Amino acid sequence: KAGVTQTPRYLIKTRGQQVTLSCSPISGHRSVSWYQQTPGQGLQFLFEYFSETQRNKGNFPGRFSGRQFSNSRSEMNVSTLELGDSALYLCASSPQATYEQYFGPGTRLTVT
Amino acid sequence: AQSVSQHNHHVILSEAASLELGCNYSYGGTVNLFWYVQYPGQHLQLLLKYFSGDPLVKGIKGFEAEFIKSKFSFNLRKPSVQWSDTAEYFCAVNGNTDKLIFGTGTRLQVFP
Repeated sequence: KAGVTQTPRYLIKTRGQQVTLSCSPISGHRSVSWYQQTPGQGLQFLFEYFSETQRNKGNFPGRFSGRQFSNSRSEMNVSTLELGDSALYLCASSPQATYEQYFGPGTRLTVT
Repeated sequence: AQSVSQHNHHVILSEAASLELGCNYSYGGTVNLFWYVQYPGQHLQLLLKYFSGDPLVKGIKGFEAEFIKSKFSFNLRKPSVQWSDTAEYFCAVNGNTDKLIFGTGTRLQVFP
C-alpha cells in the first residue's frame, strides 16, 4: 500500500499570504489528522477529520482551517500568514476503528 | 486536558549502552499509548503501541515499553542501543478523543 503523501513538500510564502497544503491518506483510511511541528513546541495537534467532518480541533487560531473530501483526501489552509507559522506540517491517516496513525513526510512551510 | 511529559530532552549514549526514555501522561481514563520515532530526514514512524492486555509491549528494532497504570507512565527501553538508533523519539497518548497528544520529544544521540 502506498503511504501518506503530502504536497507540496516545501513552500516559501510571505507574511499576509495564504497557503493550502494537501494530504492523501493511505487507501481505506477515513481519518486524517494534521499537526504542526516546530523545534520549540514539538508536535501540536491542529484538527482531525473523519468522513468529511471535523471531529476534533486543537488550540490554533481561526486562520487555520481544513476540510476533507469524499475520497478522504484532506486540505489544510492557513490565511494571513505570520512568521510564527513557519513549521513542518504533518498529516497522518488512520483506519476507522483504531487510533494508530501513519504519518506523511510533511510540508515544510517557511514564511518570510 | 490530556498532556504528555517527556523528561529527557537530549540523551547521549555509547553503542551497546542500555536506554530508558521516560514518558508520563495525565489522563485518568482509558488510554492508548504510542512511541513514535523520527530518524534524521525521515518521517515519523510507529515504534510500538499499547491498547490493552500485557502492559509490556514489544516493538520494532528491539524496543519495548512498559505501561504502569499506577504511575501514569509508558517508558521506552532498549537493552543495547546502536548508532542507527540516533533519532528523535516521541511519546503520544490518545484518551477519549481521536486527538493524539505528543510529548515534546527526546533527541537520542548514539556514538560508536
